[in-house]
Amino acid sequence: GAVVSQHPSWVICKSGTSVKIECRSLDFQATTMFWYRQFPKQSLMLMATSNEGSKATYEQGVEKDKFLINHASLTLSTLTVTSAHPEDSSFYICSASLGGLTDTQYFGPGTRLTVL
Amino acid sequence: EDQVTQSPEALRLQEGESSSLNCSYTVSGLRGLFWYRQDPGKGPEFLFTLYSAGEEKEKERLKATLTKKESFLHITAPKPEDSATYLCAVNPETSGSRLTFGEGTQLTVNP
Repeated sequence: GAVVSQHPSWVICKSGTSVKIECRSLDFQATTMFWYRQFPKQSLMLMATSNEGSKATYEQGVEKDKFLINHASLTLSTLTVTSAHPEDSSFYICSASLGGLTDTQYFGPGTRLTVL
Repeated sequence: EDQVTQSPEALRLQEGESSSLNCSYTVSGLRGLFWYRQDPGKGPEFLFTLYSAGEEKEKERLKATLTKKESFLHITAPKPEDSATYLCAVNPETSGSRLTFGEGTQLTVNP
C-alpha cells in the first residue's frame, strides 16, 4: 500500500519551454501533497504544500509563478515548471499523505529535469 | 528554529558489522520523527515513524529508537543491499504537516 507514482521519470527540455510533472497516489486518497527539490549530494528542500481543491502554499524563496502547482483531485497533483532555464535542472520529488498532522508522507520515485 | 542534524555524514561497514546512525533534533514541539531510506536516483522510501520518547520500532535488520533529543537507527548485521542514504525528518508542532529533513547519512556496506 501507499504507492505514489510520478511521470515522467526524466525529461530533457530546451530553455524557455514549460514542463509538467504529474504525481499520483495510486492506492489511497491524498488530501495533502508536497513537492520537493533535491540537488546532488543534498537533502530534500520543500517547495510547496498543496491541499486538494485549494491553492498551494509555497515556501519562502520559491517563485509561485514559475512553479505552478495544481491539486485537482485526491489522487493527482501536477507541478509545471514554466519558462525553464538551466538553473531549474534538478531532481523533483513529490510526496502524498492522508492529510492528518502526524500522517506519514509517502514519496514518489522522482523526476529528473534537465534544461539545456 | 527547528533543526535536524544527522551523524555521521558517511559510514562504511563490513557486512555483518552492526552500527548506529544518529539524528539529533531541536524543535519547539515534536509531533513525529520519520526515518526514510533513499537509493541513488530514487525517491525516499518510508521506514519508521516515532511519536514519543521511549518508543522503538523494528523492521528486519533495522531498529529505530527515540529520546527527547535524538533518534537512533540501529543496523544489525547489515548486508550490502542495506547500502543507501538514510534520512531523518521531524514534523514540528509549529509547522503543520511540513517536514524538516536532516542532511542524511550515506551508508556503504561492503561484502
